Amino acid sequence: DAKTTQPNSMESNEEEPVHLPCNHSTISGTDYIHWYRQLPSQGPEYVIHGLTSNVNNRMASLAIAEDRKSSTLILHRATLRDAAVYYCILRGWGSSNTGKLIFGQGTTLQVKP
Amino acid sequence: DAGVTQSPTHLIKTRGQQVTLRCSPKSGHDTVSWYQQALGQGPQFIFQYYEEEERQRGNFPDRFSGHQFPNYSSELNVNALLLGDSALYLCASSSRLGNTEAFFGQGTRLTVV
Repeated sequence: DAKTTQPNSMESNEEEPVHLPCNHSTISGTDYIHWYRQLPSQGPEYVIHGLTSNVNNRMASLAIAEDRKSSTLILHRATLRDAAVYYCILRGWGSSNTGKLIFGQGTTLQVKP
Repeated sequence: DAGVTQSPTHLIKTRGQQVTLRCSPKSGHDTVSWYQQALGQGPQFIFQYYEEEERQRGNFPDRFSGHQFPNYSSELNVNALLLGDSALYLCASSSRLGNTEAFFGQGTRLTVV
């Protein structure tokens, strides 16, 4: 299973943008980059995913490096509700894919008022 | 849409006992995955079910078993409970049609004493 590397923790001020990095140097051509977050006392929640191109949705943006060996999750204006553990996950797709998610330690994001 | 529902929310068992956890997937989803999350760690993949069969399994002993019913709901069974089985057990549902996101339940907090 392809591995991702994230910083253990990051801090942000409320209403400022946050850039959460992820390295995945062993990514394969069929791996999608998924981001999930887990708020305290809740199950993980899907944030965004992409393959090659940058992606935007109502929650965040995902910037993917041209060589796909790294990506950055961007929260445009952090709120206190965004304080969570953020997981960057590679999810393969193809005949062998059953959609399992391999979680690492994730990045704990603290948002200061 | 009720999303993914898990029961019970909390459970206390004694070492050596057996436990059954239940999961109802999100409407329209046919695949259920189970994860174990120890305190302070990311979720670990246990196994995944679709078409009522176990399709993929993580690094968990045979004491962990499961079942999927025709209505796509699922059970996780753990036999001969150990203190180390104390954790949050998460159920995630998804669809095999396309690389879509997984939806997680709130989890069952199992404490083994």
